[in-house]
Amino acid sequence: NAGVTQTPKFQVLKTGQSMTLQCAQDMNHEYMSWYRQDPGMGLRLIHYSVGAGITDQGEVPNGYNVSRSTTEDFPLRLLSAAPSQTSVYFCASGSGTSYEQYFGPGTRLTVT
Amino acid sequence: QKEVEQDPGPLSVPEGAIVSLNCTYSNSAFQYFMWYRQYSRKGPELLMYTYSSGNKEDGRFTAQVDKSSKYISLFIRDSQPSDSATYLCAMSGLISGNTGKLIFGQGTTLQVKP
Repeated sequence: NAGVTQTPKFQVLKTGQSMTLQCAQDMNHEYMSWYRQDPGMGLRLIHYSVGAGITDQGEVPNGYNVSRSTTEDFPLRLLSAAPSQTSVYFCASGSGTSYEQYFGPGTRLTVT
Repeated sequence: QKEVEQDPGPLSVPEGAIVSLNCTYSNSAFQYFMWYRQYSRKGPELLMYTYSSGNKEDGRFTAQVDKSSKYISLFIRDSQPSDSATYLCAMSGLISGNTGKLIFGQGTTLQVKP
């Protein structure tokens, strides 16, 4: 089991560029989430999904899009990157029978 | 005001000390309370979770929830240098199931000195 994998590990973007952060899990978890982590702010929920084809907004969804076409994958898209999106992004997954969420290793994104 | 408040620290203690980490919250709908541990440059991992009020013990770790005061705590006994990490509290108001919608505190950075 690879658990939750995220790519890339590091990324530098220029303002206005777009990109997709990839997230995959091999545990057949129904629930997947994206969080961003900033100094002094803890983890803030961006978007989450309770199953393939179902997504919903979290606390800070603006500037991000998601879709979930398969159980395994939950990509996060930045449509037009802004310096305020400089952060560490974590993907997480969980099953419906446990409150444990398994986190990926994170993607460190810098927008200049 | 944030829904969940946690002192970011840093907290520095000598090896063997008892550590107390705390969070307060404002949403009375929260029923599930979790503590995650995050080592530097890694993703968080679940340490403990409790439902509603009460205590839960797991080895050197004890989690306490006081819903009347909207206050949760994590105690670490006989702290070790390997406990040095950031500890994040997290909460959910769900009655059942996990929809991946947790509210996190800011995290407290703990350093245990040998």
